[in-house]
Amino acid sequence: AQTVTQSQPEMSVQEAETVTLSCTYDTSESNYYLFWYKQPPSRQMILVIRQEAYKQQNATENRFSVNFQKAAKSFSLKISDSQLGDTAMYFCALSRGNYGGSQGNLIFGKGTKLSVKP
Amino acid sequence: EADIYQTPRYLVIGTGKKITLECSQTMGHDKMYWYQQDPGMELHLIHYSYGVNSTEKGDLSSESTVSRIRTEHFPLTLESARPSHTSQYLCASSAGGRYNEQFFGPGTRLTVL
Repeated sequence: AQTVTQSQPEMSVQEAETVTLSCTYDTSESNYYLFWYKQPPSRQMILVIRQEAYKQQNATENRFSVNFQKAAKSFSLKISDSQLGDTAMYFCALSRGNYGGSQGNLIFGKGTKLSVKP
Repeated sequence: EADIYQTPRYLVIGTGKKITLECSQTMGHDKMYWYQQDPGMELHLIHYSYGVNSTEKGDLSSESTVSRIRTEHFPLTLESARPSHTSQYLCASSAGGRYNEQFFGPGTRLTVL
């Protein structure tokens, strides 16, 4: 079975500081994809960053970067220069491989509620 | 502008009523999904579709049903709403491909009294 674990239910960070959100996962697939999604309060869920398991280079998107440790099955998200607009629930997600017709379906972690304080 | 829409955004309804939650996307995506999310909790996949006339049940058992008669439309129906159905329902779509990135609608917050 594929699982995603986010061990930090809530975190807070001061504006302009850096914060790292943790995510571990388990899968028996050889190739898979990992995602971080952001869900602001009462707003739409949006994709923050994605990583293909075959790529060793860590993905970066502006102030967002990941630390992908394949052997440890770890996929943490680093937010640099935190802004008030980063306040949101952050979900780590793993895509299923080609298994039972559900290829590409996402498995989500429980989320981390991040508060950025002025 | 290409987007994914859900209506209604909020719905309060009495027990036993039949309801349909609407989801439409203008992105031309073949794949569509319905998730159930309790406040502050993770998303659970309840239904998905890989194209017209194709629907499958997701990981979380649900009493709801779905249909996919048109590519852009993926409604979810509850024949007889119960308080246990109170939750947020998120619709998503994707084009498939390598990453199969999913795009989410704004959600419908359902309360059954």
